Amino acid sequence: AAGVIQSPRHLIKEKRETATLKCYPIPRHDTVYWYQQGPGQDPQFLISFYEKMQSDKGSIPDRFSAQQFSDYHSELNMSSLELGDSALYFCASSLNSAIGNTIYFGEGSWLTVV
Amino acid sequence: GIQVEQSPPDLILQEGANSTLRCNFSDSVNNLQWFHQNPWGQLINLFYIPSGTKQNGRLSATTVATERYSLLYISSSQTTDSGVYFCAVEQNSGGYQKVTFGTGTKLQVIP
Repeated sequence: AAGVIQSPRHLIKEKRETATLKCYPIPRHDTVYWYQQGPGQDPQFLISFYEKMQSDKGSIPDRFSAQQFSDYHSELNMSSLELGDSALYFCASSLNSAIGNTIYFGEGSWLTVV
Repeated sequence: GIQVEQSPPDLILQEGANSTLRCNFSDSVNNLQWFHQNPWGQLINLFYIPSGTKQNGRLSATTVATERYSLLYISSSQTTDSGVYFCAVEQNSGGYQKVTFGTGTKLQVIP
């Protein structure tokens, strides 16, 4: 069965550069979530989208933005990168977020800021 | 927000030993997942278990939703079981689903 696809899997950027991560949800899933996991930390919720509208917001820095497109894929844009942004970024998807369907996670994108 | 605490935070086992990992949560949830995060960072889903007991090989899990806890049992541990184990709870928040991860248990299985 198709899973949540994230790209790129690995990314190296310099400080103050911009990075974009992409997420392709499971087909027919209408909700996308983004999580950030720093070294030795548990994943922290950043932001979610339902039917292309932002549905919830967590600890996402103002330098980050995200959107969900008409084909339901999502992109996380990170600007003015800092060393502390180095982390594993997970995307997850679900169907009909409001009625409690199971959430599935992608394999993650490693971002290293040097 | 909901608090999700796991215990123990760290665990070292001799290969072949059994262990129990615990996940406590502070509010009612719609679903609960157990993950194994491997050394490459991948979150491998072990169980979706909002309530009851499930078993998969050497692993089993029990969630008692009314008492707000879940247990993950690992029997006859192997070195490949090493990694971090997370529980993650799903709630309906403001009409949308939200997942909150626990603090994790770092397991090391030694030969």
